[in-house]
Amino acid sequence: DIVMTQSPATLSVSPGQRATLSCRASHNVYSNLAWYQQKPGQAPRLLIYGASTRATGIPARFSGSGYGTEFTLTISSLQSEDFAVYYCQHFNNWPVAFGQGTKVEIK
Amino acid sequence: EVQLVESGGGLIQPGGSLRLSCAVSEFTVSSNYMSWVRQAPGKGLEWVSVIYSGGTTYYADSVKGRFTISRDNSKNTLYLQMNSLTAEDTAVYYCARIGHHGNSYGYFDYWGQGTLVTVSS
Repeated sequence: DIVMTQSPATLSVSPGQRATLSCRASHNVYSNLAWYQQKPGQAPRLLIYGASTRATGIPARFSGSGYGTEFTLTISSLQSEDFAVYYCQHFNNWPVAFGQGTKVEIK
Repeated sequence: EVQLVESGGGLIQPGGSLRLSCAVSEFTVSSNYMSWVRQAPGKGLEWVSVIYSGGTTYYADSVKGRFTISRDNSKNTLYLQMNSLTAEDTAVYYCARIGHHGNSYGYFDYWGQGTLVTVSS
């Protein structure tokens, strides 16, 4: 099974600053990678699929990049509503798997 | 507006059974790939099961042989039958629709609000 590893576990960022989150797959997942945002008490929300395609309604400040085993989610200018936990997930084959999450907190 | 509404969670004793439901509106369950994803308290997300539009099913190793995913086309509803429950099954269970990127399926584009299952004596 493919294992997803995210770093860092916690990222402290000031509002308006850039946040860069990393995700690594244990095997090649090509561009079969998605990113989600989750706020406390809420379901996850799809941000990015296909490694770099923004989901419907997702602001342009969210961007994804990468291919194969190394992926990045960038939030160009953090807004107050962006402080949350972010998960990456591969969908190259079953079982799909999520990373353990990166918490983006206010610095 | 697309809606997925889970129900059926609650407190259940170890070894017991529970059936979760996910009522869907604004799209047809039987025409989509549908999945269950769970999240233990304070933990990350774990994929549980998937049912294809054609009826093929897959399960995570942690639930294989104990959980069964199914759907009722007339009710546009997805189910998860959970048997032989243990404390490790305690989690919020989400149903989700699966999106596709090219020929690759497996990311989750619509989610329900979740239903909490607590396995405890």
